Amino acid sequence: QKEVEQNSGPLSVPEGAIASLNCTYSDRVSQSFFWYRQYSGKSPELIMSIYSNGDKEDGRFTAQLNKASQYVSLLIRDSQPSDSATYLCAVYGGSQGNLIFGKGTKLSVKP
Amino acid sequence: ETGVTQTPRHLVMGMTNKKSLKCEQHLGHNAMYWYKQSAKKPLELMFVYSLEERVENNSVPSRFSPECPNSSHLFLHLHTLQPEDSALYLCASSQDRGRTITSYEQYFGPGTRLTVT
Repeated sequence: QKEVEQNSGPLSVPEGAIASLNCTYSDRVSQSFFWYRQYSGKSPELIMSIYSNGDKEDGRFTAQLNKASQYVSLLIRDSQPSDSATYLCAVYGGSQGNLIFGKGTKLSVKP
Repeated sequence: ETGVTQTPRHLVMGMTNKKSLKCEQHLGHNAMYWYKQSAKKPLELMFVYSLEERVENNSVPSRFSPECPNSSHLFLHLHTLQPEDSALYLCASSQDRGRTITSYEQYFGPGTRLTVT
C-alpha cells in the first residue's frame, strides 16, 4: 500500500510569518508531486506542481522536492489569514498508476 | 470556480432512492475521475475514465455505477445507498493519464455534498 503522510495539524502561524508544510511518500518511483489547497466546505484547488528535485517558486509559494529523502514541502511566505485552509499533498506514483493523497494539514494564520 | 462543474451541489436521499450526480468539464481533458471525501480520511479514488473508457474501479460497491458518455461528461448513478455513503463526492479531470509529465494535474469540481438518511 503506497502512502502519503502529512501532519494533520492544526499548524498555527501569525500573520506575516512563513508557514512550512511537509509531506513524505513511500513509493520511490513517484514522479509528480502536487499541493492542493482546500477551504472548509470547498473542493481542492491545485496550487503547485513539482516534478524535479529542488525548489519551485510561484508568488508567495515555494515547493521543495527531495526525491532521495522522499520528501516534499510547501512554504508560504508572508502568510495571510486568507491562507487558512487544509493543504493536501498528492503524489503520482508510477507503480500505483493514480494520484495518492495525504490526509492534509490544517493551517491557521492568526491576524 | 474551475472549468469543472458538478450538479447538484447538495443532495439528500433516502436509502431506497435512486439519484444521479453529474459532472461536466470544459477544459478539453481526456480523463475524468470520481472521488469520495469523508471526514478525517484521505480522498478515495472511486472510478477513472480515460477517453470514455473505464480504466479503474477501486473495489467500489455496486450501488455506485458510473457512466461516461463522452470525454466532457461523467455521471455517478446512486441506488440503495447506506448512511455511511454520506460524504462529499468530487469529480476531477486531467489532460490524460501519463502521456506527459503534467498529465496528472487534476482539476476538481465544487463537489456534491451527499446525505443519506
